[in-house]
Amino acid sequence: NAGVMQNPRHLVRRRGQEARLRCSPMKGHSHVYWYRQLPEEGLKFMVYLQKENIIDESGMPKERFSAEFPKEGPSILRIQQVVRGDSAAYFCASSRTLQETQYFGPGTRLLVL
Amino acid sequence: EDKVVQSPLSLVVHEGDTVTLNCSYEVTNFRSLLWYKQEKKAPTFLFMLTSSGIEKKSGRLSSILDKKELFSILNITATQTGDSAIYLCAVEETGGGADGLTFGKGTHLIIQP
Repeated sequence: NAGVMQNPRHLVRRRGQEARLRCSPMKGHSHVYWYRQLPEEGLKFMVYLQKENIIDESGMPKERFSAEFPKEGPSILRIQQVVRGDSAAYFCASSRTLQETQYFGPGTRLLVL
Repeated sequence: EDKVVQSPLSLVVHEGDTVTLNCSYEVTNFRSLLWYKQEKKAPTFLFMLTSSGIEKKSGRLSSILDKKELFSILNITATQTGDSAIYLCAVEETGGGADGLTFGKGTHLIIQP
């Protein structure tokens, strides 16, 4: 059973471009969580999704950031018009139910030049 | 104000030493406390603690939770250089939708040969 998969592992963008980060949850998991880790800081919750629904996006910046988890395919975290401050590691986690342990993917390291 | 506070923030010890990492929390609707080990990739799950006073063990690692005093400790005995990592503590809350986990800033543990 493959673990949580994220791609790309590294992403370089210039200011103003769009970044798309993908997360494929573990088989049988329908709950996906996105976290951001800024340098020298802990992981910060961004958004929690179930299939086709955003359940909690209280940690998402109001502008430029969006997330989806379609019926088919991976969850996508989209950052439009990236700025240097968006440079961070973005981790995705999945769980089978809300009550069960979250398993983390390897992360996508975004660098904005 | 931080809900989850870890101490120390960094720790350097010699191989063979025993270390104790601390995590205190302040949340309204506690459900569980989790410990993760983060090396150069995504956090890997170590322990989930839900009940006070019950020690969980895995090899040289052990952890215990005190729900009255609102803290947990992670012990590592006979440390090895491979234990060098950032150890993250996270707290889950109950109540409606999930906002994922609230993480502490981590303890950066360095084991010197």
